[in-house]
Amino acid sequence: EAGVTQFPSHSVIEKGQTVTLRCDPISGHDNLYWYRRVMGKEIKFLLHFVKESKQDESGMPNNRFLAERTGGTYSTLKVQPAELEDSGVYFCASSHPGGRGVGYTFGSGTRLTVV
Amino acid sequence: RKEVEQDPGPFNVPEGATVAFNCTYSNSASQSFFWYRQDCRKEPKLLMSVYSSGNEDGRFTAQLNRASQYISLLIRDSKLSDSATYLCVVNAGGTSYGKLTFGQGTILTVHP
Repeated sequence: EAGVTQFPSHSVIEKGQTVTLRCDPISGHDNLYWYRRVMGKEIKFLLHFVKESKQDESGMPNNRFLAERTGGTYSTLKVQPAELEDSGVYFCASSHPGGRGVGYTFGSGTRLTVV
Repeated sequence: RKEVEQDPGPFNVPEGATVAFNCTYSNSASQSFFWYRQDCRKEPKLLMSVYSSGNEDGRFTAQLNRASQYISLLIRDSKLSDSATYLCVVNAGGTSYGKLTFGQGTILTVHP
């Protein structure tokens, strides 16, 4: 079984530019999550999709962040315009239907550096 | 106050040692509890779930005290390969059933 795939693995962009991160969940996993870890801080929840619907987006920091999951398969997270404080590692995770804190698989993350 | 608090360490122990990590959480309504392990520059991976009755998986033992809102992880007979960051993770359930809340992690280094 293929794991959760994230692309790109690294991205360096200038402040003010736009970056789009992609996540391909494990096939059949209706639940898809985005998390991020900024330097020196704990991993924090951003949002949760169930299929194509946003179940919980309480962790999205501001309206510069836009997450989509058209068709309920892969997801994208766009940051526009990027700011220096957006630098960090963005993790995607997925779980099977009904997963409530169990059965999560994380992707290897996208390391975003905003300069 | 952070929702999940851990001693960041680092813990430096010799091979074969027993080491214990502690964690406290602030949301008394939390329903599910986990220990994750994260290797350097890698993704977090589930180590074990934590149950009220306590549970064991080989050299690893986890305990939960709901009254004190306290979670622990005990590692016996430490191996070099146990070196990693250990993350205490809580799930509140309810309408936030998909959200995991992470502690900052405890760094463990096992040396020869």
